[in-house]
Amino acid sequence: TQLLEQSPQFLSIQEGENLTVYCNSSSVFSSLQWYRQEPGEGPVLLVTVVTGGEVKKLKRLTFQFGDARKDSSLHITAAQPGDTGLYLCAGSNAGGTSYGKLTFGQGTILTVHP
Amino acid sequence: GAVVSQHPSRVICKSGTSVKIECRSLDFQATTMFWYRQFPKQSLMLMATSNEGSKATYEQGVEKDKFLINHASLTLSTLTVTSAHPEDSSFYICSAQPQGIETAGWDEQFFGPGTRLTVL
Repeated sequence: TQLLEQSPQFLSIQEGENLTVYCNSSSVFSSLQWYRQEPGEGPVLLVTVVTGGEVKKLKRLTFQFGDARKDSSLHITAAQPGDTGLYLCAGSNAGGTSYGKLTFGQGTILTVHP
Repeated sequence: GAVVSQHPSRVICKSGTSVKIECRSLDFQATTMFWYRQFPKQSLMLMATSNEGSKATYEQGVEKDKFLINHASLTLSTLTVTSAHPEDSSFYICSAQPQGIETAGWDEQFFGPGTRLTVL
């Protein structure tokens, strides 16, 4: 069974601060996705990383996939109250009976105070 | 594009009744859909994988007779919670995997907005 350890579980910061969320596993993933979810809504895909060492930027968000494709990080620069939400990482693997299935991390509840 | 809808968005039912939740891919076809359950402030837990035209594959610990899944077409999967009890109260989310369209990644899934089930 593949597991994704996501940390921290809770993060409460002031507007303008930077933060990093981590996802770590002992297993290799073909790709890893980051989602943001607001209360009462479904997760919304932020980014998919597929290549070891890959770095993707989405405005103030920077996503990194580890060289060995076992870990990933999400860094937010100058956080804003609108960034508040539940952030989820999810890994997937190709082939076999696990095709298409996502393994989710535990989630990080981010609160950005004005 | 790649929109997934769920109906209803909220449902309140009495203990012992059955509730059906629909998941539709509005602008693409999906051979595979997934059903998740989510408790407050927690991550998503995969319940089952729904494949069009075949039986669903349930995750360990999920009762297949209690959570009936039907994937009758390439755009619709339904989850029926049979004989619901208060402990079944949760947020149920489906996702759909596109078939035959270009996506950013071969394994990309698009999530529905979720259904809040409350069993009294």
